[in-house]
Amino acid sequence: DTAVSQTPKYLVTQMGNDKSIKCEQNLGHDTMYWYKQDSKKFLKIMFSYNNKELIINETVPNRFSPKSPDKAHLNLHINSLELGDSAVYFCASRLQGLAGNNEQFFGPGTRLTVL
Amino acid sequence: ELKVEQNPLFLSMQEGKNYTIYCNYSTTSDRLYWYRQDPGKSLESLFVLLSNGAVKQEGRLMASLDTKARLSTLHITAAVHDLSATYFCAVRTGNQFYFGTGTSLTVIP
Repeated sequence: DTAVSQTPKYLVTQMGNDKSIKCEQNLGHDTMYWYKQDSKKFLKIMFSYNNKELIINETVPNRFSPKSPDKAHLNLHINSLELGDSAVYFCASRLQGLAGNNEQFFGPGTRLTVL
Repeated sequence: ELKVEQNPLFLSMQEGKNYTIYCNYSTTSDRLYWYRQDPGKSLESLFVLLSNGAVKQEGRLMASLDTKARLSTLHITAAVHDLSATYFCAVRTGNQFYFGTGTSLTVIP
């Protein structure tokens, strides 16, 4: 009965490797996000999809590629990992629309450590 | 780009005391949100403020919004140790969310 889930929770890998993080939501939301939280806890949006369409694409290295196979899933693939990619990555989802709070619900996070 | 500033960044307070965290933002927004994050955990939604003058309260926390001043406050009343966490405000315009820098609160017994 988890609302927003992410796998894996922890990811430790070597520089230069390619890895993926998966996110799924069962809230019936139509918009999903990826955020990066650095060691100072600063949260920065990376991407957002609405109904499988990319709607926010912030300035991130093109080694990061999001994919949304359907509106309940948003995955993040990272090529050629670098030390600076070490962070916690959060997935979030919300329901668009004029009514209501439109608040985001966050997943548990994936702590990525690049050695 | 919309800027969101929170202060203070760090707050150490004694149990039983009151304090306020401030969140200023640079342009008009659709909604303002407050989140709590415990160490090593995810973000938990605390309040959503929809309009000017909105005030919401939950336990020892009260949030308010002044859209004319572009200011939101999170007031802590009679702090207890369980409130120790990092608090974020976030402003939404369209689909985009902009987060403040966070306020790391430590309540000392």
